[in-house]
Amino acid sequence: SQQGEEDPQALSIQEGENATMNCSYKTSINNLQWYRQNSGRGLVHLILIRSNEREKHSGRLRVTLDTSKKSSSLLITASRAADTASYFCVRSGNTPLVFGKGTRLSVIA
Amino acid sequence: GAGVSQSPSNKVTEKGKDVELRCDPISGHTALYWYRQRLGQGLEFLIYFQGNSAPDKSGLPSDRFSAERTGESVSTLTIQRTQQEDSAVYLCASSLDLGSTDTQYFGPGTRLTVL
Repeated sequence: SQQGEEDPQALSIQEGENATMNCSYKTSINNLQWYRQNSGRGLVHLILIRSNEREKHSGRLRVTLDTSKKSSSLLITASRAADTASYFCVRSGNTPLVFGKGTRLSVIA
Repeated sequence: GAGVSQSPSNKVTEKGKDVELRCDPISGHTALYWYRQRLGQGLEFLIYFQGNSAPDKSGLPSDRFSAERTGESVSTLTIQRTQQEDSAVYLCASSLDLGSTDTQYFGPGTRLTVL
């Protein structure tokens, strides 16, 4: 399966705190992408990390990839209420993207 | 330019009726995808189109589901004899090409409710 499994299923933090979400997968990847879905902006691509990269940054987002453990993490620093959303990791290989159930992040102001 | 658009945004129908959902991809994007998302669940891949190649229909849940795409433009997803379990948000996405690095751009979805 190309599906990533996000962990935890739900996460609730205070505004200003950091949020860490994890993703595990079972088979090899070419790259891994993280998407965010909220009611206001729908489903949006956040960041892509290639299999030969170990860490990538984009603004307040930091993504790590450990291909030996077949896992990735997404760190959101200094969280804001607007970060409240569901976050999905998506492995992409030779077939279309397959989404898991995601992590539901709630940032409380 | 404009993003991916979908219509209608909401559709309420009676069990047994047929429905058609429309997707307008970003101009120039050769790959188009349909997904279904039930409440509180992740996205379920349905079908994708890539250029003039035969579509990958492996995700369609039953023969009541079909989709067409005209060239590299509009796509319609048709659900015949709708059932209550078809109630979901149907999302369309397009990407520049069918490749593992290509970002998918999603439309706002069509919320289908089957009574």
